This record gives sequence, C-alpha cells and structure tokens, in this order.
Amino acid sequence: GAGVSQSPSNKVTEKGKDVELRCDPISGHTALYWYRQSLGQGLEFLIYFQGNSAPDKSGLPSDRFSAERTGGSVSTLTIQRTQQEDSAVYLCASSLGMFLQGNYGYTFGSGTRLTVV
Amino acid sequence: SQQGEEDPQALSIQEGENATMNCSYKTSINNLQWYRQNSGRGLVHLILIRSNEREKHSGRLRVTLDTSKKSSSLLITASRAADTASYFCATVGSSNTGKLIFGQGTTLQVKP
Repeated sequence: GAGVSQSPSNKVTEKGKDVELRCDPISGHTALYWYRQSLGQGLEFLIYFQGNSAPDKSGLPSDRFSAERTGGSVSTLTIQRTQQEDSAVYLCASSLGMFLQGNYGYTFGSGTRLTVV
Repeated sequence: SQQGEEDPQALSIQEGENATMNCSYKTSINNLQWYRQNSGRGLVHLILIRSNEREKHSGRLRVTLDTSKKSSSLLITASRAADTASYFCATVGSSNTGKLIFGQGTTLQVKP
C-alpha cells in the first residue's frame, strides 16, 4: 500500500482481556517497528523487526507483550491480560531497513489508540 | 528508554517568527532525525542529518548537528499557523542497528 496501515484505529477493552493490534507496512520495507506513546509523552520503543534477523525485543515492558511478523510483512502486537497502564497510542513504522544511501526516514501509521477500562 | 532531552518542552510564537528547538542525546549516533506529530497520531519524517554532517536545509527547515556537544537544533523560519504541532528528534546509534530512539518532544504553537 501507499502507507503504513494500522488497525483498529481505536480499541476499548476490559482489564484482563487480550488484544491484538495489526500493522501493514509499506510493501518492500524490510524493517518494522512498534512504539508506544502515552498521553503527552514521547515515543517509547517496543520492538524492531529487520528482515529475517531475530527481532530486537528490548523495549517490551513485560512478558504480557509479544509481537510477530509473518512472511516479512504484516505484524501483530499482542497484549495479554491488559492493564489500565497499557492505555496508550501504539504506533507502527516501517523503513527500508539497514542503512542505505539516500535520505530516508521511517514512515509511521496513524496508530491504534488503546483504552483499557 | 529515551535517548535525550528536548528544549524547550513548549514554545509559543507569532506567525512569521522563527522557531528554534533543541535536542540533546547521550550516546554516539549514526544519524539524527526530526519528526512532526499533529494531534497525537502518526509522525511525519521531516529531515535526517548524518553524523558527519553539520547542517542541512529543507525548505523552511534548517537542522544543525554538533556531535562534540551531542546536540542538534531545528529551526523553522517564517513560521505559519499550520506549523503548530509537536516536534521530536530521534537518533540511530552508531552501531547502526536501525533502531530509532525518540526524545520527549517540543510542542510548538504558532499564533495567527
């Protein structure tokens, strides 16, 4: 697609439920990233996929968080047993991956606003 | 963890004035990028400056990088009301894994 697509755009869930957030990156982008942004805050890195390499999971806040990327394209971020502190906007981005010539940055999706009640 | 700090946290100016935002970071970098965010949703990439560059221009944007001070600045000249947004700097470390670490951002308000 023309841009990074995230779904759903909004999700309200009850505390303790599991949620899945989806990200469709730009076709051909080998790198995919998940970030979390709480209200009025900066972006917190969660996880990073680069091609067939093992993902960098160093930003996942707890073992309730996991992510996978199937076929090097679509990614799903799963939060198990959601807590109120998980409420945030979850942003996905993709890029051409390991450092290439030219001036490129990351392309972000519009995010999923997760509210845990 | 956040890479560094941005200064100021909030900035309010009149249309036509210049806006300067500063960013400091902690570790050696491969490149530094600036992004804009409107209404708390998706971010838009503005400009990238590599560690061996000192200044870069794009339209009304001017970015400087001082690796000795581990700092960067973003200057928006002749600001417009439409420039009202949050601005974030982000860095890719010198190990160049590609991972982008963001600062806390500067909220800019441009009054018409």
